[in-house]
Amino acid sequence: QSALTQPASVSGSPGQSITISCTGTSSDVGSYNLVSWYQQHPGKAPKLMIYEVSKRPSGVSNRFSGSKSGNTASLTISGLQAEDEADYYCCSYAGSSTSFYVFGTGTKVTVL
Amino acid sequence: EVQLVESGGGLVQPGGSLRLSCAASGFTFSSYWMSWVRQAPGKGLEWVANIKQDGSEKYYVDSVKGRFTISRDNAKNSLYLQMNSLRAEDTAVYYCARDEGYCSGGSCSFPSFDYWGQGTLVTVSS
Repeated sequence: QSALTQPASVSGSPGQSITISCTGTSSDVGSYNLVSWYQQHPGKAPKLMIYEVSKRPSGVSNRFSGSKSGNTASLTISGLQAEDEADYYCCSYAGSSTSFYVFGTGTKVTVL
Repeated sequence: EVQLVESGGGLVQPGGSLRLSCAASGFTFSSYWMSWVRQAPGKGLEWVANIKQDGSEKYYVDSVKGRFTISRDNAKNSLYLQMNSLRAEDTAVYYCARDEGYCSGGSCSFPSFDYWGQGTLVTVSS
């Protein structure tokens, strides 16, 4: 099972909105509404930002939103802030008879 | 407060073995699936293995099948990863993560990893 495809980098100015795509296949992203997104600052553990495509855990800013269309999921960060600069990873359930979970390749978000 | 604390990482020669531990606190450990996720230096995240609440189901990524074994001790609130026949490509930070998977009415759902430990570094090198 190959990793989900994300752009290597995305950048934006403070206050702008950016969107990170996460492209999988009909066996993972396309089959389940079980896509999650993680934020990781350098040297730190990942932090859950979005689960089940578009749900936000308690404490996560509503500037973060998720969606899915077909085999591609997306994370949108609105009102970009300096603290949003980090790596972002998507993840999808892929079924217990295959690779179970597959992560995305990761996207470095830079706040200009 | 949910806490996951990994230990047991270190330097090991190719072909060697290592056992990682994860001490959990702040939640009812026996009620959750648990996972190990790794990250090679400068690389992305890779799910490694997970285990059901009672240990009756275990799943692995293909690259570690037959070499790694995940286990848990609910009485000790602890998760383990026994790693044998280690290879250079197993070098990574290994994270313990609470897996929000749940099963109901014969079907299961696995939405996310909601809490992560700080990780323990495993280096496989001669």
